[in-house]
Amino acid sequence: AQSVTQLGSHVSVSEGALVLLRCNYSSSVPPYLFWYVQYPNQGLQLLLKYTTGATLVKGINGFEAEFKKSETSFHLTKPSAHMSDAAEYFCAVSNSGGSNYKLTFGKGTLLTVNP
Amino acid sequence: DTGVSQDPRHKITKRGQNVTFRCDPISEHNRLYWYRQTLGQGPEFLTYFQNEAQLEKSRLLSDRFSAERPKGSFSTLEIQRTEQGDSAMYLCASSLVAGGRADTQYFGPGTRLTVL
Repeated sequence: AQSVTQLGSHVSVSEGALVLLRCNYSSSVPPYLFWYVQYPNQGLQLLLKYTTGATLVKGINGFEAEFKKSETSFHLTKPSAHMSDAAEYFCAVSNSGGSNYKLTFGKGTLLTVNP
Repeated sequence: DTGVSQDPRHKITKRGQNVTFRCDPISEHNRLYWYRQTLGQGPEFLTYFQNEAQLEKSRLLSDRFSAERPKGSFSTLEIQRTEQGDSAMYLCASSLVAGGRADTQYFGPGTRLTVL
């Protein structure tokens, strides 16, 4: 079974400050890891993903995340927050093996950006 | 590529009524997933199709729920005898699975169901 824990249901930062959203996962097989963003009343948009290879993954809108196997973590960062980054962020894991590839999501972190 | 579309975007119904939602995936995608998202939670897996075959159903999918993908293109999710606990956002996602590897799941905008 897989699971995702997102530490902090709500993170508030000032515009221009560092964004750090935490994600820890549990998986019995090598995981695929994802960060999605959800704006109000919309579906989910992929920010970035890790499958294999380089552990530092760069995504859209200046976000990046680093896969740390020893810490079972996949934290999302952005050096300088913008007002448009305010949204809910979901970390997700899926199996690299098998054939389902269903996503198991964390509960989400709501990011607020203050002017 | 027009993205994943879902219809309707919002549905309000009375307890006990039946509702049906539609999902149109990205045209070349052979895999389609349904998820449910309740307030304050992340999406939870309901079921998925590979072409027209429904290959797995979650325990969340009670016998009041049925999903189809008759020609391997669009999919429908029907809820019979709706209950207030069914109120949620229903999300559809599609992806391309080829050579034993899965590509990114692309999500639609969701259908928000409110059961009164």
